[in-house]
Amino acid sequence: AQTVTQSQPEMSVQEAETVTLSCTYDTSESDYYLFWYKQPPSRQMILVIRQEAYKQQNATENRFSVNFQKAAKSFSLKISDSQLGDAAMYFCAYRSFQGAQKLVFGQGTRLTINP
Amino acid sequence: NAGVTQTPKFRILKIGQSMTLQCTQDMNHNYMYWYRQDPGMGLKLIYYSVGAGITDKGEVPNGYNVSRSTTEDFPLRLELAAPSQTSVYFCASSHEGPYEQYFGPGTRLTVT
Repeated sequence: AQTVTQSQPEMSVQEAETVTLSCTYDTSESDYYLFWYKQPPSRQMILVIRQEAYKQQNATENRFSVNFQKAAKSFSLKISDSQLGDAAMYFCAYRSFQGAQKLVFGQGTRLTINP
Repeated sequence: NAGVTQTPKFRILKIGQSMTLQCTQDMNHNYMYWYRQDPGMGLKLIYYSVGAGITDKGEVPNGYNVSRSTTEDFPLRLELAAPSQTSVYFCASSHEGPYEQYFGPGTRLTVT
């Protein structure tokens, strides 16, 4: 079974600075998807960014980018120019390429933005 | 476009009571899921469905049941509620293929 580990329960960053959230995963599959979800205090799960394992290029969405290291099974999220609205829980998630598309989540990292 | 809707938003149950959490999606998604999120933790899969009439267990199915009679609806039934079922419950749906899952707003359930 696949597992996802987020080793940073909490992180903080100054507004306008850059922060990196870590995620490692364990799988024997060669094709899969990785996701970062944001959960603000409203509880709504919001997709931040997605990476397909067969793509070597790291995904980017505006201020959000990932560093995907397939051999190391590492998938970190970099947030540039942090804004107050980025404060939230961030979850890393894994999904198999085939099958029922079930998501396996990490434990989450609480990100605080200091003004 | 409503997306994924869940009712109720909040509920308090006494130990031993039963209830059904409702989930409806209007995106014609075949795949639907129920997750639970315990305090300070990530989401864990309870049950999922790949189409009407087809359901299967996830990682933490004990104490729950589901049914899928239509594409739109995927209710989650709690029988004989226990304090360990105190959690936030999320329903999600997606198309088959490389598509994201869309989440409902969640139901906060407390069992006392």
